[in-house]
Amino acid sequence: DAGITQSPRHKVTETGTPVTLRCHQTENHRYMYWYRQDPGHGLRLIHYSYGVKDTDKGEVSDGYSVSRSKTEDFLLTLESATSSQTSVYFCAISYTGSYEQYFGPGTRLTVT
Amino acid sequence: DAKTTQPPSMDCAEGRAANLPCNHSTISGNEYVYWYRQIHSQGPQYIIHGLKNNETNEMASLIITEDRKSSTLILPHATLRDTAVYYCIVRNGSGNTGKLIFGQGTTLQVKP
Repeated sequence: DAGITQSPRHKVTETGTPVTLRCHQTENHRYMYWYRQDPGHGLRLIHYSYGVKDTDKGEVSDGYSVSRSKTEDFLLTLESATSSQTSVYFCAISYTGSYEQYFGPGTRLTVT
Repeated sequence: DAKTTQPPSMDCAEGRAANLPCNHSTISGNEYVYWYRQIHSQGPQYIIHGLKNNETNEMASLIITEDRKSSTLILPHATLRDTAVYYCIVRNGSGNTGKLIFGQGTTLQVKP
């Protein structure tokens, strides 16, 4: 399995609080992605990164920000969590943009 | 990226071959067909991909029709652990972002 970890694996937080999810890789892959998965919507891309300090928006980026200060870490931040951001969040990595992606185990986030 | 159509669900007997179809009639010449699967509560797992030739690896075989408008993922000897949602995704092979667009997939139930 690709060396991808996500932390925390589970989190419950209150509406309005900031939340940061971490994705860590040991593969030295250039590309990293954040997806969310909700019933009825499948997996949707939030943000992605194609290098250190290089990021771009996906299809559901509103309310989320990301940062990548080093190759191995990609952080997803919810500045002020809302109940609509309750979801399972998956991180993925890819050697290049045209290669297959490998996914982490996911973070289950509940916003009450 | 081209749109794909998959049956919502399929059953397969354990030990038999599972054949999962995918239609992608609007596929263009530089688009690849990718298959991923997601076992309950886990992150998606890459299975295989191809452009126009049939492909085989240790997990599965991918058969792409000559006109490339459809493909079939074959699990040669399905086991109970192959029960999962299978996603067929078409994306630009030279895509520099690597973005994957997941549809609803096919839920494969392998039965004893």
